[in-house]
Amino acid sequence: DAGVIQSPRHEVTEMGQEVTLRCKPISGHNSLFWYRQTMMRGLELLIYFNNNVPIDDSGMPEDRFSAKMPNASFSTLKIQPSEPRDSAVYFCASSLLADTISYEQYFGPGTRLTVT
Amino acid sequence: SQQGEEDPQALSIQEGENATMNCSYKTSINNLQWYRQNSGRGLVHLILIRSNEREKHSGRLRVTLDTSKKSSSLLITASRAADTASYFCATGVGKLIFGQGTELSVKP
Repeated sequence: DAGVIQSPRHEVTEMGQEVTLRCKPISGHNSLFWYRQTMMRGLELLIYFNNNVPIDDSGMPEDRFSAKMPNASFSTLKIQPSEPRDSAVYFCASSLLADTISYEQYFGPGTRLTVT
Repeated sequence: SQQGEEDPQALSIQEGENATMNCSYKTSINNLQWYRQNSGRGLVHLILIRSNEREKHSGRLRVTLDTSKKSSSLLITASRAADTASYFCATGVGKLIFGQGTELSVKP
């Protein structure tokens, strides 16, 4: 298996622009997680899906952030409009179905976002 | 607030020495997991210990869990320069909450 795939690997954009990050989870995994990592705040869970359904989006910073999972093999995280404080590394991870228990998560390589 | 908190925040040792990192958490758990992150990379799962286990080994890694103290430790024996990375503990039901991590530096 190719592991969790994220694209793009790097994104540089100007404040106010829309940014879309993409993730393909490992085949057979039913849980998908989006994280953001910064030096100041560490690794933060933004949202996670079970069987394509959002379960917990309490970590999504504000309405500028949205995430979708239209099918089991694809998810997007969108920021509109982007701001400099959104600059971070965004990770996607997947695991076996995580509801009453947590399984090991497999992380993608991350997308390094810079908003100028 | 963070579920898991690692200690120390940073650790610097010589190659061949052992490295011990600690993690404390706040609520009841089903399991506790340890991850490693090399600079600029995604996290990699190292080991999972269930709440009814006290100790688990994987190669040069040894993890202990004390549910009465709500704490865990990760021991890396005979460290190598390639072990230089950040190490995180994580707990949770469904979603995982990660601590701030311990930054380990192993000098050749």
